[in-house]
Amino acid sequence: SQQGEEDPQALSIQEGENATMNCSYKTSINNLQWYRQNSGRGLVHLILIRSNEREKHSGRLRVTLDTSKKSSSLLITASRAADTASYFCATTGGTSYGKLTFGQGTILTVHP
Amino acid sequence: DGGITQSPKYLFRKEGQNVTLSCEQNLNHDAMYWYRQDPGQGLRLIYYSQIVNDFQKGDIAEGYSVSREKKESFPLTVTSAQKNPTAFYLCASSNPIRWDGRNEKLLFGSGTQLSVL
Repeated sequence: SQQGEEDPQALSIQEGENATMNCSYKTSINNLQWYRQNSGRGLVHLILIRSNEREKHSGRLRVTLDTSKKSSSLLITASRAADTASYFCATTGGTSYGKLTFGQGTILTVHP
Repeated sequence: DGGITQSPKYLFRKEGQNVTLSCEQNLNHDAMYWYRQDPGQGLRLIYYSQIVNDFQKGDIAEGYSVSREKKESFPLTVTSAQKNPTAFYLCASSNPIRWDGRNEKLLFGSGTQLSVL
């Protein structure tokens, strides 16, 4: 079953603007991860945030996690045309022992 | 360079035919996974394996089979029982496995697009 629900489904912005994508999930988690997928390619891991963390940064990426609301957000600052891709959140938790459950993704288009 | 190799990149299946998708990794990872992705959708777990000679069904295992005879290899067979096989198939691996249920990032192959003739 799909645990993560992402919002918005599609986002179109201009280069230099910030992009924010949200992810909600239903059950308790051990960690939440964000992945990026260019069209027709495999997924690339971006960042992992554990359930006891609230915020994490990696370069132009900022991830927040609110376990009380069962939600996470991914912020990409100063976006570039090369950031155009689909972005997925994925969760693991309970006794899933490494199984990741993915959301349906946000399609980000950054116009030059 | 270490990585995950999926082959072929494109595969066509005829009615009633079984086809096998290859996934090989040289990362010495314990765990390997197969996901299916339909257009505009997220990934759904087909099968996963945490150790050689052992594998578990995921959320959509019906019509699929796997084997894990070697640590490096986790082939997926799409059987004739899978009536809607057209999709993008992604293989992934991870290491180490944390037996407390925590898992680090997955590394993905570049995918196989399967279509029905």
